[in-house]
Amino acid sequence: DTEVTQTPKHLVMGMTNKKSLKCEQHMGHRAMYWYKQKAKKPPELMFVYSYEKLSINESVPSRFSPECPNSSLLNLHLHALQPEDSALYLCASSQDVPGRTDTQYFGPGTRLTVL
Amino acid sequence: SQQGEEDPQALSIQEGENATMNCSYKTSINNLQWYRQNSGRGLVHLILIRSNEREKHSGRLRVTLDTSKKSSSLLITASRAADTASYFCATPIKAAGNKLTFGGGTRVLVKP
Repeated sequence: DTEVTQTPKHLVMGMTNKKSLKCEQHMGHRAMYWYKQKAKKPPELMFVYSYEKLSINESVPSRFSPECPNSSLLNLHLHALQPEDSALYLCASSQDVPGRTDTQYFGPGTRLTVL
Repeated sequence: SQQGEEDPQALSIQEGENATMNCSYKTSINNLQWYRQNSGRGLVHLILIRSNEREKHSGRLRVTLDTSKKSSSLLITASRAADTASYFCATPIKAAGNKLTFGGGTRVLVKP
């Protein structure tokens, strides 16, 4: 199984809502990533989890809260978002072998619209 | 800030033609990777070339790497309509846990 799954595919939320994005992989990968991608732009890294610990936070506003319940799951909790947070949110995973840069496997993304 | 810059930003070709896109980067790298993204979907890894390699092939893809010029190129030969996508180069930032930084991307349209 070389698939990264993300739910939901689409999400529309108001600025006062609380919602969560979910990501799952069963490849035994120990690194998981959240990216944000605006239209016609490259993905921008938000968070990296390595062995279920947050290793990189790219100065992301606190209205985005990541969580890694176990090595297969990655969540992104959303609260009090702004319309400019509307984007495609991509999850990815990789093996995370020390000293080696691994290829990343991406999920199909969640298209988020904040009204 | 982006590590890689891609050129051209957009490319339109006829089916059967070759497509070439270039990527320049700023810092020393261990490897450079190319990814494809179909419209509104996730990225798919295409090929990884290491810093001690100059050229690599995978099917209809040919990647070159010139570390002296800090540049790489991706050539798609005999293009097909299904090759229509955005193509991104990505480089690991060693000082930042080998996280990947993506270039701006080249949007390729292959017309049937």
